Amino acid sequence: SYVLTQPPSVSVAPGQTARVTCGGNNIADKSVHWYQQKPGQAPALVIYYDTDRPSGIPERFSGSNSGNTATLTISRVEAGDEADYYCQVWDGSSDHYVFGSGTKVNVL
Amino acid sequence: QVQLVQSGAEVKKPGSSVKVSCKASGGTFSSYAISWVRQAPGQGLEWMGELIPMFGTSNDAQKFQGRVTISTDESTSTVYMDLSGLRSEDTAVYYCATISLASHPNGYFNLWGRGTLVTVSS
Repeated sequence: SYVLTQPPSVSVAPGQTARVTCGGNNIADKSVHWYQQKPGQAPALVIYYDTDRPSGIPERFSGSNSGNTATLTISRVEAGDEADYYCQVWDGSSDHYVFGSGTKVNVL
Repeated sequence: QVQLVQSGAEVKKPGSSVKVSCKASGGTFSSYAISWVRQAPGQGLEWMGELIPMFGTSNDAQKFQGRVTISTDESTSTVYMDLSGLRSEDTAVYYCATISLASHPNGYFNLWGRGTLVTVSS
């Protein structure tokens, strides 16, 4: 089955840039979606189809996807961005949805 | 705007079954595929399976095949997830989430319920 690999945590100072990676075999051939989850809440979409932002999501959130790595970039990080972030794809080989293991973004 | 309203928390004994509901408030599921995603305490998100009410088709994650049944009552716009043979490792928050059929299967989960905590304990 398809596996998505994320670092357990990323730490960043306020105002700096956080980059959360999502590794998968030829992931560039897939559409990657990203979710933010704060404690006690359901996940919420922040990036879809690799680079698109839903309405209401700040421009500080952006995405890219190339080769074997997709990346969620959070610019000018704020305290409110502290959360868990998950990448997700659909694996056509298994006809299953797959989530990455999640990355905790810590704002120092 | 459709909202997903899930049933309340459950406490179950090992070996028993649980049935969690997810109701579309303010709309119907006719344009969506509905998935169930669970999250064990302190763990990540795990996709369990989906149902497409319009086509009456379902697709379960291999890990849960034989234990999970996803069904719908279209008259009440409610989708159910039935998990049998419960064990302690099934203790988790269970979410329903939708993907628009316009973007299925390659799309994203655009709507989420608030989650239902299922605790399995003797």
